[in-house]
Amino acid sequence: EIVLTQSPGTLSLSPGERATLSCRASQSVSSSDLGWYQQKPGQAPRLLIYGASSRATGIPDRFSGSGSGTDFTLNISRLEPEDVAVYYCQHYVNSPGYTFGQGTKLEIK
Amino acid sequence: EVQLVESGGGLVQPGGSLRLSCTASGFTFSNYWMHWVRQAPGKGLVWVSRVNSDGSSTIYADSVKGRFTNSRDNAKNTLYLQMNSLSVEDTAVYYCARGMGANEYWGQGTLVTVSS
Repeated sequence: EIVLTQSPGTLSLSPGERATLSCRASQSVSSSDLGWYQQKPGQAPRLLIYGASSRATGIPDRFSGSGSGTDFTLNISRLEPEDVAVYYCQHYVNSPGYTFGQGTKLEIK
Repeated sequence: EVQLVESGGGLVQPGGSLRLSCTASGFTFSNYWMHWVRQAPGKGLVWVSRVNSDGSSTIYADSVKGRFTNSRDNAKNTLYLQMNSLSVEDTAVYYCARGMGANEYWGQGTLVTVSS
């Protein structure tokens, strides 16, 4: 079973700064099977990035994903107060199952 | 507009059963794989189960295997999660989500509380 480890656990930045969130897989995964989600307080998750680097419908270009193998990154440029959320990476593969990272909490100072 | 609406959550005693439903609209339900994902209070997302488009294939997380059954009725555009032998560790918000790969649409979730 693949384990996804996200870092840091919490990130506190100021508006306008750039956030870099990491997702490390316990073994190499296909980039096509890696996604990122945003979950704001009290809301359902929202897909941001699929295939490691493709933005989902309606996602602003401030959000970008990159990486391959075991190391993947979500970048959020020009942070806005509305970006306060927990961000999760996910490995979606049919076997043995789908896996989420433990999440990174983004705070805006 | 794609909509997924979960229902059926509530309070149940340990060892009890509950059936969740997820009603879909705004898309051809029978064309898509569907998932259940749960989130315990204050915790992260945990994938629970996937059913393929015609309901012939299901997979489960080890934590629910043998206790939960994921099924669908494509004529009613509805996804189900039958949960048996519930324990306090199953307390969570349960989300249904659509996706062959990444989950591009999610419902708002239904809360299941297992407590005596």
